[in-house]
Amino acid sequence: QLQESGPGLVKPSETLSLTCTVSGVSISSSSYYWGWIRQPPGKGLEWIGSFSYGGNTYYNPSLKRRVTMSVDTSENQFSLKLTSVTAGDTALYYCARSGDAYNPFDYWGQGTLVTVSS
Amino acid sequence: DIVMTQSPDSLAVSLGERATINCKSSQSVFYSSNNKNYLAWYQQKPGQPPKLVIYWASTRESGVPDRFSGSGSGTDFTLTISSLQAEDVAVYYCQQYYSTSYTFGQGTKLEIK
Repeated sequence: QLQESGPGLVKPSETLSLTCTVSGVSISSSSYYWGWIRQPPGKGLEWIGSFSYGGNTYYNPSLKRRVTMSVDTSENQFSLKLTSVTAGDTALYYCARSGDAYNPFDYWGQGTLVTVSS
Repeated sequence: DIVMTQSPDSLAVSLGERATINCKSSQSVFYSSNNKNYLAWYQQKPGQPPKLVIYWASTRESGVPDRFSGSGSGTDFTLTISSLQAEDVAVYYCQQYYSTSYTFGQGTKLEIK
C-alpha cells in the first residue's frame, strides 16, 4: 500500500515537498522501482521520476532541473521535492510502484492534491 | 521522448457493444530480444488513481475481466472491451515503459451511449 502526504498549498517560487509511505514491503530490501506521477486537474498523466533503492534514478527530462527524489529507509518512505513551483505545477500527485525499471506501475497511492497559489 | 497518441479522445458506446481505443507510439516499443511490447493500459475512474489493466500490450492484470483485451505490436496498439458494462465508464491511458523516460497517452474518455 502507498500513501502520499504533504502540504496541499504551496506558494509560487517555493519548493513542493511530498512523502510516500509504503507498507507491506520494505523499500530497501526489494528490487522494485518507486515513482511519482502527477495529473493536473481535468488533464492527463505525467511521469515525474522513478528510483530503486541501491539502483538507478530516472527523471522526466522536462522536470529534471527542478526534481529531487530521496528515500528514508527507517520510515519506509520516499520523497519528492520540486523547486521553483508555478501555477502549472498544480496537480494531483501520485506515488506508485513498478516491478523494475522496465515494468508498468502496478500499485498506486490515492493521490494528494497540491495547489500552487499565493 | 516517445510520444504516445491515443484515438479517439472520447468514445460513446452502447451497453453490451464493443469499445475500441487506439494508441500509437512515435517509435517502436517492441524489444526483439524478448519478443515483448513495452506497452500498458490503465483505467481511471473518477476520483480514483489509475488501475493497471493490460501490460506487455496483451497480458491482463490479475482480476481484470476477460472482456478486456489488448493487441498490437511495434507502434500501433488497441484496447478492446468486448461487451461494455456500466462499470467500464472511465478514462483509459496507454503508457510506454520501453524507455525509462516513461510517457502516457493523453487519455480516452469512454462513456455510455
